[in-house]
Amino acid sequence: TQLLEQSPQFLSIQEGENLTVYCNSSSVFSSLQWYRQEPGEGPVLLVTVVTGGEVKKLKRLTFQFGDARKDSSLHITAAQPGDTGLYLCAWRTSNYQLIWGAGTKLIIKP
Amino acid sequence: DVKVTQSSRYLVKRTGEKVFLECVQDMDHENMFWYRQDPGLGLRLIYFSYDVKMKEKGDIPEGYSVSREKKERFSLILESASTNQTSMYLCASSPRGRQFFGPGTRLTVL
Repeated sequence: TQLLEQSPQFLSIQEGENLTVYCNSSSVFSSLQWYRQEPGEGPVLLVTVVTGGEVKKLKRLTFQFGDARKDSSLHITAAQPGDTGLYLCAWRTSNYQLIWGAGTKLIIKP
Repeated sequence: DVKVTQSSRYLVKRTGEKVFLECVQDMDHENMFWYRQDPGLGLRLIYFSYDVKMKEKGDIPEGYSVSREKKERFSLILESASTNQTSMYLCASSPRGRQFFGPGTRLTVL
């Protein structure tokens, strides 16, 4: 059983649609990171959320941290083919390791 | 710009061979990590190092060893490669928290 559960595992939608992916746990996080991994590359950090209820925006991407700091969501508005990739959430532990979710594989069709 | 390089993008080896995967970072980071990534399983930590000549086992160290003789270089060694070690191997470095990844090495063991 994964400490971090990401859903859905796979999502394929048309360009221009909106979508939300989730990262959930039964544990409370001190902070949560979201990464995007494009095919053939390593993951790249998108955002870190720290405070319960926090909302961060990165162009068309909106990240939300749950009030109880047990869950997070990523919403993409008007998805574009360039958003295609694997979206990973990760929890930073006290000794700077990261615990990873299995990821949501997102495909945006033109 | 931050740079983590891995010695090979693709590697094909035979069962029983000794395999070296090298990772170099140019950011003077103390922490370095080796992960393997398999579909549906996310990133699983093999080993990490928080200083030169220091190493710690991650979640799946069996069949692997590591070497960190210089701060910028972290090597992963498969002493006797097996087919179940066919995977994507990702190296990362980190000052603290955020991790910077190399492009990955896709290793196939025949």
